[in-house]
Amino acid sequence: QSALTQPASVSGSPGQSITISCTATSSDVGSYNLVSWYQQHPGKAPKLIIHEVSKRPSGVSNRFSGSKSGDTASLTISGLQAEDEADYYCCSYAGSNTFHVVFGGGTRVTV
Amino acid sequence: EAHLVESGGGLVQPGGSLRLSCEGSGFTFSSHWMTWVRQAPGKGLEWVANIRQDGSDNYYVDSVKGRFTISRDNAKNSLYLQMNSLRAEDTAVYYCARDGSSWLWYFDLWGRGTLVTVSS
Repeated sequence: QSALTQPASVSGSPGQSITISCTATSSDVGSYNLVSWYQQHPGKAPKLIIHEVSKRPSGVSNRFSGSKSGDTASLTISGLQAEDEADYYCCSYAGSNTFHVVFGGGTRVTV
Repeated sequence: EAHLVESGGGLVQPGGSLRLSCEGSGFTFSSHWMTWVRQAPGKGLEWVANIRQDGSDNYYVDSVKGRFTISRDNAKNSLYLQMNSLRAEDTAVYYCARDGSSWLWYFDLWGRGTLVTVSS
């Protein structure tokens, strides 16, 4: 069982905004602002879209934004487009006891 | 442009071994932690292991400890994953990924992956 819980699916209409939650089930994981988000289209490699909770890499659309409150991180996609249909994974550092990294189970976004 | 290219995947019997390779180009390979992430068919991403820039430090997910070994050769811009005592549950696409910044634990460059199938 993942230490990060995501909804299995989220859907929205073009132009709408959606939010994907990522809740830490371990206090170690929730203590760190080292959450990243990845977009994965079918058959493709994951792509970094958010790091350190809310930072957006160069070239990533500003329609993607991240935030965190307590043990829950969130990814918001605004102005939903057909190309946003993909799987989205949150990821977090799991703490200095293990120096591990954990991924959430993934969320399928349907437009 | 930066790239990562994995190789070495294939079909192997349970209990067998396989060595994956990942070659980096277009960036200073020796400046980055490197990571292996896998994805079982139809499943989510799973972090497997990572290694410090000079190879002096590495970490593994519990399920592969004692069976997998991560290593690197900075002179060849290459990352490796030696996988021994393979099990059916190790079947997955294995991705090589670059850590974007030391100790910030995010992956800003990914390869296309190589498929490992463990089956008799």
